[in-house]
Amino acid sequence: AQRVTQPEKLLSVFKGAPVELKCNYSYSGSPELFWYVQYSRQRLQLLLRHISRESIKGFTADLNKGETSFHLKKPFAQEEDSAMYYCALSNQAGTALIFGKGTTLSVSS
Amino acid sequence: EPEVTQTPSHQVTQMGQEVILRCVPISNHLYFYWYRQILGQKVEFLVSFYNNEISEKSEIFDDQFSVERPDGSNFTLKIRSTKLEDSAMYFCASSERQANTEAFFGQGTRLTVV
Repeated sequence: AQRVTQPEKLLSVFKGAPVELKCNYSYSGSPELFWYVQYSRQRLQLLLRHISRESIKGFTADLNKGETSFHLKKPFAQEEDSAMYYCALSNQAGTALIFGKGTTLSVSS
Repeated sequence: EPEVTQTPSHQVTQMGQEVILRCVPISNHLYFYWYRQILGQKVEFLVSFYNNEISEKSEIFDDQFSVERPDGSNFTLKIRSTKLEDSAMYFCASSERQANTEAFFGQGTRLTVV
């Protein structure tokens, strides 16, 4: 079964601290993975996708097929990073996204 | 920047009533989706739509649900006879290509069934 697990409901860090938001997936085949972010009172938006291998707003995520993980990392958290982060997996046909439960990141000064 | 828009932002309806949630996807997008998020739970896929037909639907999308693209710009989700457990935030999304490319989400419609 296709599944995305985000074990942490809430992650609180201080400004300048490193951040790692965990995401594990269950999928048979070659997964396509994404991180979506929802800032307060804003819509869900794409942060990054594994296939593009880019860094957005200082965030990176590496697909580890051995550990079936796609953790989101940032070396130095900023207060404006506070948001809800969702890891998502595209199904094989590319017709649906399967979301994790989300992790709230709270960055305080 | 083009956006997916949803109306209304909040809908309150009585149990058993029909509701129609409306969405205007981004104009050059070809793939359309509905997701829902029950309070405190994860975003769940309902249905995807391409070329005027459903391309995928989840177990949640039973006979009470239907989707339509009535006029080439709107994309609607109809719930025929609402139940209390249909109360959720409903998100419309669209993408230029399939969901393994970037999906653009609307701001959501909060449906409250009383």
